[in-house]
Amino acid sequence: NAGVTQTPKFQVLKTGQSMTLQCAQDMNHEYMSWYRQDPGMGLRLIHYSVGAGITDQGEVPNGYNVSRSTTEDFPLRLLSAAPSQTSVYFCASSYSGIRDGYTFGSGTRLTVV
Amino acid sequence: AQSVSQHNHHVILSEAASLELGCNYSYGGTVNLFWYVQYPGQHLQLLLKYFSGDPLVKGIKGFEAEFIKSKFSFNLRKPSVQWSDTAEYFCAGGFNDYKLSFGAGTTVTVRA
Repeated sequence: NAGVTQTPKFQVLKTGQSMTLQCAQDMNHEYMSWYRQDPGMGLRLIHYSVGAGITDQGEVPNGYNVSRSTTEDFPLRLLSAAPSQTSVYFCASSYSGIRDGYTFGSGTRLTVV
Repeated sequence: AQSVSQHNHHVILSEAASLELGCNYSYGGTVNLFWYVQYPGQHLQLLLKYFSGDPLVKGIKGFEAEFIKSKFSFNLRKPSVQWSDTAEYFCAGGFNDYKLSFGAGTTVTVRA
């Protein structure tokens, strides 16, 4: 039982490049979310999913795409990276929502130059 | 709009001092409240949560929080901190079944 696994842990991108941040969980959790963490701003919700095939936007979705083809995986795509997307990204999952508590991954530190 | 705010950005304490971190939420309906901790270089971990019932909630590592509905507050407390409590602390509110809204966080530095 690995919990929530995020890859890569660190990444440097050039402006305009694309990449996918991976998130996988092996706990059969229905709910998955992506957050970005910026100094002085806490964690802000980017996108979330309440089950395979179902995704929705959070507070700061612009510049990011998601899909949820399986229960286990919830990748986050940056189509054209911008310096404003420099941040630490956390994936989280929960069996049935907030009452179960969310389990967080260890994060991906992304720098866009 | 639903939101969570934390009053203190950075708190510096000596070991054995008492800690209280403020958290307020803005929402007129039912809210579920959480405190998470992030130790340096690590991911977020749940300290405690409040859904209903006894407004004084006890969590892990000797932390507790009190829900005061009239003040829209959910302050975190620990009677005596240790150096290992150095971390960033986040208050979060769940305003529906699956979305968490986080405060900006409070960095706590405990000096030996």
